[in-house]
Amino acid sequence: GDSVTQMEGPVTLSEEAFLTINCTYTATGYPSLFWYVQYPGEGLQLLLKATKADDKGSNKGFEATYRKETTSFHLEKGSVQVSDSAVYFCALTTRDTGANSKLTFGKGITLSVRP
Amino acid sequence: GAGVSQTPSNKVTEKGKYVELRCDPISGHTALYWYRQSLGQGPEFLIYFQGTGAADDSGLPNDRFFAVRPEGSVSTLKIQRTERGDSAVYLCASGRGGADTQYFGPGTRLTVL
Repeated sequence: GDSVTQMEGPVTLSEEAFLTINCTYTATGYPSLFWYVQYPGEGLQLLLKATKADDKGSNKGFEATYRKETTSFHLEKGSVQVSDSAVYFCALTTRDTGANSKLTFGKGITLSVRP
Repeated sequence: GAGVSQTPSNKVTEKGKYVELRCDPISGHTALYWYRQSLGQGPEFLIYFQGTGAADDSGLPNDRFFAVRPEGSVSTLKIQRTERGDSAVYLCASGRGGADTQYFGPGTRLTVL
């Protein structure tokens, strides 16, 4: 079955540091890849996505590139801010039948950014 | 506009009791998903509705779990004879289906004592 593996956390960085959060996947079909974020006290929200190989998703200074050869979708940001402190989830969907796009998530990683 | 809403936000019940969790999707969204998130884990798929019908219920853990969406809008997740292992955050998401983004509600935290 499909699965997503994220690097172990938590991660603590100083403001303006460079961020990389690793994500690799296994999938039976051709997946679309996502990063979701959960800020403290809020619900899950989509951060960025990529639907085919070599696509780069980007939003709020975050980027991730769909690498089919390494089955990876690592999240990066050049300069993190305190407001980026949250839990980050990597996820995939392989639309198997009809319009069903059920998501398979990784375990999530907690990022804390200190001033 | 209004997002996905879920009620109650918290539910505490005793082992063996029956509970219902409600999800109000974004208006016009035909696809509705339920997920369960245990502590320290990512959300896990439970069931998918396209319109009124449950198109994929492969994630429901056993027959104590059931969900309905009678008019193609609001959905209710029903859990019979609750067990302590059912304690988790239950998330609902809606979308237009296919590759469209799923929008998540804030979740219902269920605690079974």
